Amino acid sequence: QKEVEQNSGPLSVPEGAIASLNCTYSDRGSQSFFWYRQYSGKSPELIMFIYSNGDKEDGRFTAQLNKASQYVSLLIRDSQPSDSATYLCAVNAPSNTGKLIFGQGTTLQVKP
Amino acid sequence: GAVVSQHPSRVICKSGTSVKIECRSLDFQATTMFWYRQFPKQSLMLMATSNEGSKATYEQGVEKDKFLINHASLTLSTLTVTSAHPEDSSFYICSARDPGGTTEAFFGQGTRLTVV
Repeated sequence: QKEVEQNSGPLSVPEGAIASLNCTYSDRGSQSFFWYRQYSGKSPELIMFIYSNGDKEDGRFTAQLNKASQYVSLLIRDSQPSDSATYLCAVNAPSNTGKLIFGQGTTLQVKP
Repeated sequence: GAVVSQHPSRVICKSGTSVKIECRSLDFQATTMFWYRQFPKQSLMLMATSNEGSKATYEQGVEKDKFLINHASLTLSTLTVTSAHPEDSSFYICSARDPGGTTEAFFGQGTRLTVV
């Protein structure tokens, strides 16, 4: 079992719709969870991080964390074509040194 | 947010030569930096943890003699790909965390290495 798992997609949604991206992780000791967006040929950029169970909202983005189910998700409301990218879920190693374990990423396509 | 600068952004080298990639933290001191590699359509795979003033910690399967890491100062880590081969062609990315900030890791711009 991979440490961090994501559906590689592609996930295709129409412009203006809600895109839902999911991620599961295996280490119950993980405490910090991150969503990065990566455009082709570019380095990842942080969208959101979440530490506590529940929802965290930032503009059009909502991160959801359920530690009991070892599940973290990212919702993108009012999806735009510019949101088309690969979304990487990352989990901080329990040692909390900044080492991140990444999922394989989900490719999102927002169609005009 | 904190800035991590990586150089060069793109390099082409001949098989058998060595290539050095630099990673700098511009507005904070990073005692620890991380080096990742990303092959096309794959996720980032951690290669090694670079520790200032001590030896790097390599992940399983990463050859330490091939991927030399030097973290000589609190703002600079270098990765040298020695005796490069075409299979080393990849996207190399460094990251660092600001010890005075959150657990967020900041990434450099990445280096596209092509070995011909």
